[in-house]
Amino acid sequence: DQQVKQNSPSLSVQEGRISILNCDYTNSMFDYFLWYKKYPAEGPTFLISISSIKDKNEDGRFTVFLNKSAKHLSLHIVPSQPGDSAVYFCAASAGGGSNYKLTFGKGTLLTVNP
Amino acid sequence: NAGVTQTPKFRVLKTGQSMTLLCAQDMNHEYMYWYRQDPGMGLRLIHYSVGEGTTAKGEVPDGYNVSRLKKQNFLLGLESAAPSQTSVYFCASSWLALGELFFGEGSRLTVL
Repeated sequence: DQQVKQNSPSLSVQEGRISILNCDYTNSMFDYFLWYKKYPAEGPTFLISISSIKDKNEDGRFTVFLNKSAKHLSLHIVPSQPGDSAVYFCAASAGGGSNYKLTFGKGTLLTVNP
Repeated sequence: NAGVTQTPKFRVLKTGQSMTLLCAQDMNHEYMYWYRQDPGMGLRLIHYSVGEGTTAKGEVPDGYNVSRLKKQNFLLGLESAAPSQTSVYFCASSWLALGELFFGEGSRLTVL
């Protein structure tokens, strides 16, 4: 049973436009969410996180929105740049949280076309 | 600025062989983790450590053993490799129990 779902395996957008990556979760105990970015042949790198006490967190071009009632979060990248082309993983943790209880989604491959 | 270093980067094994993956971090992190990533799957936690001399099982620990004899090193062992262990393995470390994970570049293991 997949508790963190990224239903879009891939997404393609034009440079300068908005990229929206979606993530749904089923476990209502999840209270901390993170996004990681991964380039080919490299390890994932941390992008942004959000606690369940917030509904939005912003860091530069990256904003994460959390809708607890819908069990849905999204990552917005504005404006998108070719260097943003990567696989994006959503991850969630439950009950006060710990990294060893992180559940990752399968990832979404974002391609930003020049 | 090495961060998290994994060796080897690539390895091909025959079924039944053993090997050890080494992870080294130079950030003085307490917490270390071993993940595997398979095609179409998210990262899955194999084992983790909350400090020197400690280890614990993650989501998919069967067939693997780990040791954390020194704070900066976390070793992942396969005693008898199986084709199902063909995967990309990532080591990670973190300052806190929850928060940013720092990943290594990955080790691609193929078991024939």
